[in-house]
Amino acid sequence: SQTIHQWPATLVQPVGSPLSLECTVEGTSNPNLYWYRQAAGRGLQLLFYSVGIGQISSEVPQNLSASRPQDRQFILSSKKLLLSDSGFYLCAWSVRTGQQETQYFGPGTRLLVL
Amino acid sequence: AQSVTQLDSHVSVSEGTPVLLRCNYSSSYSPSLFWYVQHPNKGLQLLLKYTSAATLVKGINGFEAEFKKSETSFHLTKPSAHMSDAAEYFCVVSDGGDDKIIFGKGTRLHILP
Repeated sequence: SQTIHQWPATLVQPVGSPLSLECTVEGTSNPNLYWYRQAAGRGLQLLFYSVGIGQISSEVPQNLSASRPQDRQFILSSKKLLLSDSGFYLCAWSVRTGQQETQYFGPGTRLLVL
Repeated sequence: AQSVTQLDSHVSVSEGTPVLLRCNYSSSYSPSLFWYVQHPNKGLQLLLKYTSAATLVKGINGFEAEFKKSETSFHLTKPSAHMSDAAEYFCVVSDGGDDKIIFGKGTRLHILP
């Protein structure tokens, strides 16, 4: 069966520090991978998605970047965190079967920037 | 602790007939509630959200949802289904003041011609 891991679960970082959030998927190959963020009181926002190794699409301009060094690994990074980067970050993977695509979510990382 | 239950994993309706996707939640505080849709090969799209304003929330594409605190429900409805509504729908709950969000397991909506 497939599983998705995210770490850390919770992170408190000072403004201006770097960030690295990791997401890995097991039990599937060549998945589509996604990074979402939810800021307090707001809806979920798609940040990045990837259809393959080294292929990253960015949905919104921001202080963050993403990389996919391996088929089942997706990393969210920042060189210098801003206060506005605080939020809940979700990684997701999906696989398409015929006309249907199903998305599965990781447990999330709560980031607090102080 | 917060949780969300989508009562149906699959729903099939004929084109032009009403849609009802059910969602029940539990929350210790005043929750924010959301419905998202995912079409094939695309990311999640926010349909509508409830954040303690009007209990009847209107969203995009003709969808709406009603927050019923006494029933702890937030069902999604649409008067007349369209073929383009075929997708997977997620109900999501977030506690007030807590950034963490909980997704339901999703309901796949099938539209029959």
